[in-house]
Amino acid sequence: GAGVSQSPRYKVTKRGQDVALRCDPISGHVSLYWYRQALGQGPEFLTYFNYEAQQDKSGLPNDRFSAERPEGSISTLTIQRTEQRDSAMYRCASSYGLYNEQFFGPGTRLTVL
Amino acid sequence: AQSVAQPEDQVNVAEGNPLTVKCTYSVSGNPYLFWYVQYPNRGLQFLLKYITGDNLVKGSYGFEAEFNKSQTSFHLKKPSALVSDSALYFCAVSWDTGRRALTFGSGTRLQVQP
Repeated sequence: GAGVSQSPRYKVTKRGQDVALRCDPISGHVSLYWYRQALGQGPEFLTYFNYEAQQDKSGLPNDRFSAERPEGSISTLTIQRTEQRDSAMYRCASSYGLYNEQFFGPGTRLTVL
Repeated sequence: AQSVAQPEDQVNVAEGNPLTVKCTYSVSGNPYLFWYVQYPNRGLQFLLKYITGDNLVKGSYGFEAEFNKSQTSFHLKKPSALVSDSALYFCAVSWDTGRRALTFGSGTRLQVQP
């Protein structure tokens, strides 16, 4: 079956612009997670949802970052007024439940000029 | 605070030899432990997990890992390495009384020489 998909795969933007990153989880997966991964490092947690409820957003770096999952399926991570330090790979993952393994999407490579 | 340590940045092994990639963890409750592999320009692929039960867990591609509670370790092993196993390996943990999202280690690059 289809895995986790993310779009766009690559995003280049200018500093100060807003960007929206999309994640489409595996069908039937109720939990959805956002991570940020620097090159050669492990992913770092940003936020996660159980169905449409945002359970934990403690990993979001500041209030320029927000996420939503209004219908409990597709999720959008939005970064407002982007800065160069926001450049990274943003990864989405989904799981069937809270105790199950997470399946990761291919990521969105964000470059802020 | 919860943490995962992968003490080796890189592990080199000859093809056909056994391999071990080390992982230790620190959590305040019962750990849920995972191994993921990342190939160049690819996403993370799940290899195996320990939730409860048998301390030795078997996963994809012939990999296995042993949960050792007293040593707070979850080392990844394979009896006979393949060149195609060369990749970046991440250990990750969550726990029963804490956040469900994963805390990842810094990764270990496995290089298998022919």
